[in-house]
Amino acid sequence: SSELTQDPAVSVALGQTVRITCQGDSLRSYYASWYQQKPGQAPVLVIYGKNNRPSGIPDRFSGSSSGNTASLTITGAQAEDEADYYCNSRDSSGNIWVFGTGTKVTVL
Amino acid sequence: EVQLVESGGGLVKPGGSLRLSCAASGFTFSSYSMNWVRQAPGKGLEWVSSISSSSSYIYYADSVKGRFTISRDNAKNSLYLQMNSLRAEDTAVYYCAREVGYGPLDYWGQGTLVTVSS
Repeated sequence: SSELTQDPAVSVALGQTVRITCQGDSLRSYYASWYQQKPGQAPVLVIYGKNNRPSGIPDRFSGSSSGNTASLTITGAQAEDEADYYCNSRDSSGNIWVFGTGTKVTVL
Repeated sequence: EVQLVESGGGLVKPGGSLRLSCAASGFTFSSYSMNWVRQAPGKGLEWVSSISSSSSYIYYADSVKGRFTISRDNAKNSLYLQMNSLRAEDTAVYYCAREVGYGPLDYWGQGTLVTVSS
């Protein structure tokens, strides 16, 4: 099975840009999706595919990918963006979902 | 409006069983694959199981294989997770989530808490 590795925590000043990365071999074959989770709430999909945002997700969220690394960028971070972020993708078999270890984003 | 509502969680002793349900509304349930994802207290997300729209394809995480069974009833717009031989490490909030094609999990329920303890 594949693993997806994320930095445990990052911080960003209000209005600045932060990039969260997700590394794993399966990302060479499959796009990552990104989920935002606030305390006590269910995860919310924020980015999927090459760089797609579901309806209602602000355009300050964007995604990219290169080799075995997927990235989520928040451009102009807001206080409400403070949350845990998880990447996820298929594993190498294509049948199993794998979640990243999660990154806690703190907005200063 | 897409809604997923889980139920069936609770306190169960190690070795016991529990059946979770997920009631879906606001979309054509029979057209989508569905998933169960869990989150232990203070921990990250862990994918548990998936089932295709017609139940033809079913997959499990190694951690639950042989103990959990996913199923669905498209006539009742419902997803289920039968959990047997429960262990303390199965304690978690269990979410059901809709899968878009072969893509992301775009809608999630609010979760139901399963606590395995003596």
